[in-house]
Amino acid sequence: AQSVTQPDIHITVSEGASLELRCNYSYGATPYLFWYVQSPGQGLQLLLKYFSGDTLVQGIKGFEAEFKRSQSSFNLRKPSVHWSDAAEYFCAVEKTGRRALTFGSGTRLQVQP
Amino acid sequence: NAGVTQTPKFQVLKTGQSMTLQCAQDMNHEYMSWYRQDPGMGLRLIHYSVGAGITDQGEVPNGYNVSRSTTEDFPLRLLSAAPSQTSVYFCASWRGEGTEAFFGQGTRLTVV
Repeated sequence: AQSVTQPDIHITVSEGASLELRCNYSYGATPYLFWYVQSPGQGLQLLLKYFSGDTLVQGIKGFEAEFKRSQSSFNLRKPSVHWSDAAEYFCAVEKTGRRALTFGSGTRLQVQP
Repeated sequence: NAGVTQTPKFQVLKTGQSMTLQCAQDMNHEYMSWYRQDPGMGLRLIHYSVGAGITDQGEVPNGYNVSRSTTEDFPLRLLSAAPSQTSVYFCASWRGEGTEAFFGQGTRLTVV
């Protein structure tokens, strides 16, 4: 079955530390890839997206993600985490022609002072 | 620019009652979707639409109906609410394939 996997349910990092959130997908061809962030009680906001070309994409709020075709992965990174980054992060894919997003189960990020 | 507006924000229903969750967007987006969010399960697609008059089922469509009579509106109807439909519901719209999806603030529904 086609799916999106975020293996880490909950991650805690110290403020200023680096962050990597993992995402793997299982589709026959490379889909459109997205990372969204959800602050408590809010809707989702797009951080970044990948369609083709350069495998390292830059997003808002200092986030970046790297697409690795051989590993079917699209991991999200940030060099130095801020307390305001505490939120839930969702990886999503849109299969070409599917016209809807499929989401992973999310990773909740907690930031310690 | 309001973006995607969902009403109501909160709702409590009794088992067997019906209701409609409203979703409106003012960005002239062709694509719209409804998702439900449950703890540990991410967002699951209920129904989606690629334009007025065109709808299709997602992963979890049972118990829900939709219609799309205008580009702007995409209401979600619960015909006979069940406790299993207790969830947070999100509506999203986007311009086309591979573009950014814009989400409403969500409707928290409790069925007792």
